[in-house]
Amino acid sequence: ETGVTQTPRHLVMGMTNKKSLKCEQHLGHNAMYWYKQSAKKPLELMFVYSLEERVENNSVPSRFSPECPNSSHLFLHLHTLQPEDSALYLCASSQDTYRTEAFFGQGTRLTVV
Amino acid sequence: AQTVTQSQPEMSVQEAETVTLSCTYDTSENNYYLFWYKQPPSRQMILVIRQEAYKQQNATENRFSVNFQKAAKSFSLKISDSQLGDTAMYFCAFIPTNKIIFGKGTRLHILP
Repeated sequence: ETGVTQTPRHLVMGMTNKKSLKCEQHLGHNAMYWYKQSAKKPLELMFVYSLEERVENNSVPSRFSPECPNSSHLFLHLHTLQPEDSALYLCASSQDTYRTEAFFGQGTRLTVV
Repeated sequence: AQTVTQSQPEMSVQEAETVTLSCTYDTSENNYYLFWYKQPPSRQMILVIRQEAYKQQNATENRFSVNFQKAAKSFSLKISDSQLGDTAMYFCAFIPTNKIIFGKGTRLHILP
């Protein structure tokens, strides 16, 4: 248990659906991240939030929309996804973005049908 | 460019043996932080060990130790007395400036 909780653990959605992934941490961390992990590809950093402000957006398609309402919660809103978006989505948090390790949630396994 | 390279996509060793996973990185920064993460089949990414670049002493954590060669930009992980529970993907990572950069991972199989 790392202190970072992701829900749901598994999600199957159609290409016309709208769903959201949720991440929660109560570690007092100031930075939160979304990563995408596909088979046989390296971890892809999607978004970084520091003190609730988005500080990085790595050319992620607009069908992925992050939201950070407070320092403990991070959402990833999904709409009109493609089958190639099927992957493991990992949330992480860290005390800051420049020196401390990240703590990861267990991920949401997303399948787009 | 700031990159992390793990040259061994997959490895297998017998239980109780010692195994070393290699990692090299590229940065022009002088001070940074290095990590090894483990991702077992349960998918949870777990921090194994951490090293600050300004520290010359290699970090150790029970059966896990690193060989940090700053000049060579090398950060290998040694697992001693390997156990079946060590079977996982291992990711090398570092923070050169303000974000953590991961390698592609090494899949390690511990054989009974």
